[in-house]
Amino acid sequence: EPEVTQTPSHQVTQMGQEVILRCVPISNHLYFYWYRQILGQKVEFLVSFYNNEISEKSEIFDDQFSVERPDGSNFTLKIRSTKLEDSAMYFCASRDRTSSYNSPLHFGNGTRLTVT
Amino acid sequence: DQQVKQNSPSLSVQEGRISILNCDYTNSMFDYFLWYKKYPAEGPTFLISISSIKDKNEDGRFTVFLNKSAKHLSLHIVPSQPGDSAVYFCAASAAGTASKLTFGTGTRLQVTL
Repeated sequence: EPEVTQTPSHQVTQMGQEVILRCVPISNHLYFYWYRQILGQKVEFLVSFYNNEISEKSEIFDDQFSVERPDGSNFTLKIRSTKLEDSAMYFCASRDRTSSYNSPLHFGNGTRLTVT
Repeated sequence: DQQVKQNSPSLSVQEGRISILNCDYTNSMFDYFLWYKKYPAEGPTFLISISSIKDKNEDGRFTVFLNKSAKHLSLHIVPSQPGDSAVYFCAASAAGTASKLTFGTGTRLQVTL
């Protein structure tokens, strides 16, 4: 079964550094998402992306965050200047090309980001 | 912001018995509901969903019930198996939100032998 793949599985960075988290969505999917889960908390929506642009973003997704689909397969989340509170598990997800929004998101296994 | 709540952080059920996981929501704009299962060090895996035009959806051992008037949904697993032991998340989305999912806090299910 096709799956969403994320790299790296664990990223450690120092506060103030830039990080890029990478995702390869399922190949025929057109809708892409980033979610995060801070330890012990809920899975939270960050951003959705469709047709090469952001379709919705949460309050968490401030100017420090950006997303890009640099080629036909990768989808990246960049954090420009990491803060301690950015430490979390970051999940990429994708959804297929059906026009109905009523189709499930498929998640990758996540990247654990640790900011020291 | 507790739009989706799972009030039971954990549940223990014997193998072969029924597991019932509950979820409540407050946002009346939600019209699509999903259950995800999550193992440690893995991402959420989609289990089953239901649209607000239905009150029940079944897929093998998994059935989801939706009570719109009570803003409540539940996931029934029968019979429960040890491999079902995981954290189960309820999630919801509203029309026009590009599938932005709002998750509950999860219920850890332990299926014992």
